[in-house]
Formats: sequence, C-alpha cells, structure tokens
Amino acid sequence: EDQVTQSPEALRLQEGESSSLNCSYTVSGLRGLFWYRQDPGKGPEFLFTLYSAGEEKEKERLKATLTKKESFLHITAPKPEDSATYLCAVQGYTGANNLFFGTGTRLTVIP
Amino acid sequence: GAVVSQHPSRVICKSGTSVKIECRSLDFQATTMFWYRQFPKKSLMLMATSNEGSKATYEQGVEKDKFLINHASLTLSTLTVTSAHPEDSSFYICSARDFSGEQYFGPGTRLTVT
Repeated sequence: EDQVTQSPEALRLQEGESSSLNCSYTVSGLRGLFWYRQDPGKGPEFLFTLYSAGEEKEKERLKATLTKKESFLHITAPKPEDSATYLCAVQGYTGANNLFFGTGTRLTVIP
Repeated sequence: GAVVSQHPSRVICKSGTSVKIECRSLDFQATTMFWYRQFPKKSLMLMATSNEGSKATYEQGVEKDKFLINHASLTLSTLTVTSAHPEDSSFYICSARDFSGEQYFGPGTRLTVT
C-alpha cells in the first residue's frame, strides 16, 4: 500500500534560517513525486514534480531532491511569505495513477 | 501555469438541502478531474475520479448517491452534495489533470452545513 510520511509536522524558522522538509514514501513503482504549497483556506499550488532518484529541481528559494526512499524540500534563506503548508504526494503505476498525499509540514517563517 | 477555478468559494446551507460545486479548467482541457475532501490540519483525501462522459469512480467509503459527480465536458465537473448534513461540512477541492499528466488544483470550496 502506498504511504507518504512527512516530517516535521510543523517547523518554525527565523527569516534567513535555511532548513529542509522531509517526505518519506513507499510506493509500488514510482511514477512521480510531487510537492505542493498550500496556504490557509486555499487549494494546493503546484511546485515540483520529480520522477527518478537523483533528480533535483529548483525554484527561487526552494530546491527539491529525490532518492529511492525519500524527498527533501530545501528552503534557503526563507522569507515570511514562504510560510505555508508544504504537501508531498506520490503517484504510482497502480490503479488510476492517483496522487497519494502526506499530511504536510506547516512552515512558519518569523521576521 | 494552468488555472483551475471553483465556484462557489464558500457556501452555507441548511441540513437536508443539496449543494452544487463547480470545477472548471480555464486554460486547458482536462483528461481527468478529481474531487478531494480536506479536514482541518489534515491531508487531502481523494473522494472520486471522473473522466468526461463517463461515470465517476468513487473511493472506498464515499457514498456515490450522496456525492453526485457530473463531468459534462473536458473543462467542467460538478460535485453535488445531496441532503447535506453537518458532518458533510468540510473543505472540498477539485483537481484537473492535463494531457501531459500534470495535475492542478482549484482554490477549494468551504462548505458549512447548519
């Protein structure tokens, strides 16, 4: 059965304090691993898709990496506007290729 | 990036009434649309998957007669919560997948049943 575990559940950072969010996954054949950002009361906003171990993608202060067991979302010198919940989801080759989500990491960046 | 809209963004209804939520892909055609439900501080739970012109596929535990899904075109899907009860109060999010396989989410609809 597909499983996604995100840690930590919540993270408070000072502005400029870099850190990483973890997404550990178990899936029978990884089709893709997705990172989304979700603001309170809003739908998830697409950030990255990673398809194979060793792949990395960057966007502004965010960088996502992927291994065969986990993905990291690195946040470099975060700003208060980076405060949000970051969701990780996996898509396997079984079933209807649906996304299976983790519970997210709630990030707060303090000015 | 691709845009998915939902309407309404918030709705309050009385117990026993039905509520319809629309989901549209504004600048792309969606091969598949998805409906999720999200409880406070919880992750998204997939309710159903639908393809244009076909009956929706519901996840285990989701009542298909209560949550009616109509996928009328490649850009429109609707979710109707029938005979709503307070326990149906939740945040409902739709998503649309384009032909390249990328999946985009709508802004969500907050349903409150009184």
